[in-house]
Amino acid sequence: GAGVSQSPSNKVTEKGKDVELRCDPISGHTALYWYRQSLGQGLEFLIYFQGNSAPDKSGLPSDRFSAERTGGSVSTLTIQRTQQEDSAVYLCASSNRRGGTGELFFGEGSRLTVL
Amino acid sequence: DQQVKQNSPSLSVQEGRISILNCDYTNSMFDYFLWYKKYPAEGPTFLISISSIKDKNEDGRFTVFLNKSAKHLSLHIVPSQPGDSAVYFCAASAGNAGNMLTFGGGTRLMVKP
Repeated sequence: GAGVSQSPSNKVTEKGKDVELRCDPISGHTALYWYRQSLGQGLEFLIYFQGNSAPDKSGLPSDRFSAERTGGSVSTLTIQRTQQEDSAVYLCASSNRRGGTGELFFGEGSRLTVL
Repeated sequence: DQQVKQNSPSLSVQEGRISILNCDYTNSMFDYFLWYKKYPAEGPTFLISISSIKDKNEDGRFTVFLNKSAKHLSLHIVPSQPGDSAVYFCAASAGNAGNMLTFGGGTRLMVKP
């Protein structure tokens, strides 16, 4: 597709369950980012993939969060043993520049609600 | 500790008038600044950017000003239109951190007809 695609668009789960969120970046973009936006808050950086380099995981809030990017394209964000405070919109973005001047293209997000 | 701050959570402006959205940052390593616009149920979309070597960048109705000594930037929209009503996020990056952006908390702009 032309833009960043995320699925599911909405996910409701019970506390303690695991969830997987998927991101399909723009074709050819080497950089991929995960952010989240909690209710009334700004965008919080989670993790950054650049090509084949080791990902920058400095934003992951706990070890229940993990992400992988297979084949340099699609990425999956996994949240284990979900908690209510994990409820947020999880946004994926991709970029085609390695340097610090590239624009990020965001998907529409996956809204996660943990009951 | 928030490195990028938008101290006004909301702003209301009359159609045709100027909208001024403000942003402050603390990290002196930031050298590139961007504004994103977000409509409900959509991802943020890029609006305008400025490099730290400049103090102004203009694109149509949108102008971004950068004051490095004050670590402050602002977005001016003139004239404001009802379709500009959205949440605006300020973001910053450091050249040695790839494109990882640090975002502010956002300002909700409401332009009244």
